Amino acid sequence: GAVVSQHPSRVICKSGTSVKIECRSLDFQATTMFWYRQFPKQSLMLMATSNEGSKATYEQGVEKDKFLINHASLTLSTLTVTSAHPEDSSFYICSAKGPGNEQFFGPGTRLTVL
Amino acid sequence: AQSVTQLGSHVSVSEGALVLLRCNYSSSVPPYLFWYVQYPNQGLQLLLKYTSAATLVKGINGFEAEFKKSETSFHLTKPSAHMSDAAEYFCAVSRNSGNTPLVFGKGTRLSVIA
Repeated sequence: GAVVSQHPSRVICKSGTSVKIECRSLDFQATTMFWYRQFPKQSLMLMATSNEGSKATYEQGVEKDKFLINHASLTLSTLTVTSAHPEDSSFYICSAKGPGNEQFFGPGTRLTVL
Repeated sequence: AQSVTQLGSHVSVSEGALVLLRCNYSSSVPPYLFWYVQYPNQGLQLLLKYTSAATLVKGINGFEAEFKKSETSFHLTKPSAHMSDAAEYFCAVSRNSGNTPLVFGKGTRLSVIA
């Protein structure tokens, strides 16, 4: 139990296009999800906290208009990278608060912007 | 504010040797501490966590960590390294186990030499 999935696992897009990444809690409901970003050979940096039914809380330095987060249901949060550029290429990982008040991580999505 | 420092970005051990990955934390409140493992192009897997119960925490795959408040440390150990232990290891701290995001260290890459 307590599985978090992400889709797609890998995406390549052209500069200027938008990309949507989904984070789903498969067997539990998650009122809170987190989005992290990981650059090559670096640690995970929190981008935003996503709360079901309310606006996401973004970390300092993260452009909310560029990284749109929607947490419309208790099992799904989406991250949309708008007008993507090569510097947005990264590994995006979500986590969800689940059973036992523990965070469970998704497998990550590798975004490459050409 | 909370922070984590992982000493050594890369640790190399021989197969069968002791694994020691160092983590020191800073927290103004009693911390929750975690160790995660990440294999290439994958998400994070929880190895173990400290939640103010026993100071010696046993995790999966033979790993364990000891919380030492006086040293503000939470070092990860394994008596005998296996080739399959080669991965990236992250120490993380949080104010609780689920409601707040994790603050990660920069990670330590473990190499196991045959």
